[in-house]
Amino acid sequence: EDKVVQSPLSLVVHEGDTVTLNCSYEVTNFRSLLWYKQEKKAPTFLFMLTSSGIEKKSGRLSSILDKKELFSILNITATQTGDSAVYLCAVHDSGNTGKLIFGQGTTLQVKP
Amino acid sequence: EADIYQTPRYLVIGTGKKITLECSQTMGHDKMYWYQQDPGMELHLIHYSYGVNSTEKGDLSSESTVSRIRTEHFPLTLESARPSHTSQYLCASSNRGNEQFFGPGTRLTVL
Repeated sequence: EDKVVQSPLSLVVHEGDTVTLNCSYEVTNFRSLLWYKQEKKAPTFLFMLTSSGIEKKSGRLSSILDKKELFSILNITATQTGDSAVYLCAVHDSGNTGKLIFGQGTTLQVKP
Repeated sequence: EADIYQTPRYLVIGTGKKITLECSQTMGHDKMYWYQQDPGMELHLIHYSYGVNSTEKGDLSSESTVSRIRTEHFPLTLESARPSHTSQYLCASSNRGNEQFFGPGTRLTVL
């Protein structure tokens, strides 16, 4: 059965800390891995990763994929209170065109 | 501006009522999805569509139904709402790529 597992499930840090969120997956026909940030309502897209070892970066956020070990990490440096959210990892299985398999999410709380 | 919209954003309704959650997108996307998400839990796909007149059930069994008569609209209907239907419903769309764009969600409470 295809699954996506995120860790930790929740994390509390202080402003300025660096955090690393983990996502491991088991899917039959991997096509891509996506990271989303979900605040109070809808998830907003952060990154899509398809190739191993190529870091995607956007400001203080970065992510990398390891297709051999079947995991991805999302790094946030110099965290701010506005980074507080649930971070979702999802995997696109090419055997289920267009469908995403989501992990449980990591709830990040950044304290002032 | 291209976007994806959901209405209503919040709905509180009594048991047994028929409800329709609206979802529309102006991006011209072929694929549309409905997810159900309980507080603190992961998103579960309940319906999806690859285009007009195409609808499929998702991974999570749901008593709701959907229709796709027009590309831009993908409404979800519950014929008889029950308290177990209380949840957040998220609509999303995508085109050829894997990236799905999400609407703001409808938070449904059935009393």
